[in-house]
Amino acid sequence: AQKVTQAQTEISVVEKEDVTLDCVYETRDTTYYLFWYKQPPSGELVFLIRRNSFDEQNEISGRYSWNFQKSTSSFNFTITASQVVDSAVYFCALSEARLISNFGNEKLTFGTGTRLTIIP
Amino acid sequence: GAGVSQSPSNKVTEKGKDVELRCDPISGHTALYWYRQSLGQGLEFLIYFQGNSAPDKSGLPSDRFSAERTGGSVSTLTIQRTQQEDSAVYLCAGKGGGTGELFFGEGSRLTVL
Repeated sequence: AQKVTQAQTEISVVEKEDVTLDCVYETRDTTYYLFWYKQPPSGELVFLIRRNSFDEQNEISGRYSWNFQKSTSSFNFTITASQVVDSAVYFCALSEARLISNFGNEKLTFGTGTRLTIIP
Repeated sequence: GAGVSQSPSNKVTEKGKDVELRCDPISGHTALYWYRQSLGQGLEFLIYFQGNSAPDKSGLPSDRFSAERTGGSVSTLTIQRTQQEDSAVYLCAGKGGGTGELFFGEGSRLTVL
């Protein structure tokens, strides 16, 4: 069975500080996808990133970066120089990758989320 | 609109009543998902539709829950004889784009008194 653990329920940091959100996953699949989604107060989940298990290269997108470590089954997310607009609940998710196409059923298994508050 | 539209945004009902939640996905998104988000919990998969294939209903928590998708577009999630534990935000998502990402609606918040 697949499982995603986000041990940090809530984090508060002062604006401009860096913050890392942890994500640890369990799966028996040898190929899989990992995701991060952001849920602002409006409630609509916003896709941030999708990585496949074959690609352990870290990724940076502006102030966001992701550290994928297969050896520790972790896919951590770092926000650099945090801003108030980053305040949201962030979800890590995992899916099977047996059907690797846009028509595959990516039934995501979500973590319980980390509520991030950036204090101005 | 350009995004996934869900209605109603808020629904308060009495225990035992039936409710219908509607999802209007982005045009062209052939895959549609329903998830449930309970307070303090992650998102729980309910059901998945893909084109004309039989839906994956493996996440529906009981036979009181059902969903249909008409014409490959609009979907309706029906909960019969609602119970208090059904209270949650019900999220709909469609899939599209090169990344295969899911596009979520803002959800329907259901409160069962």
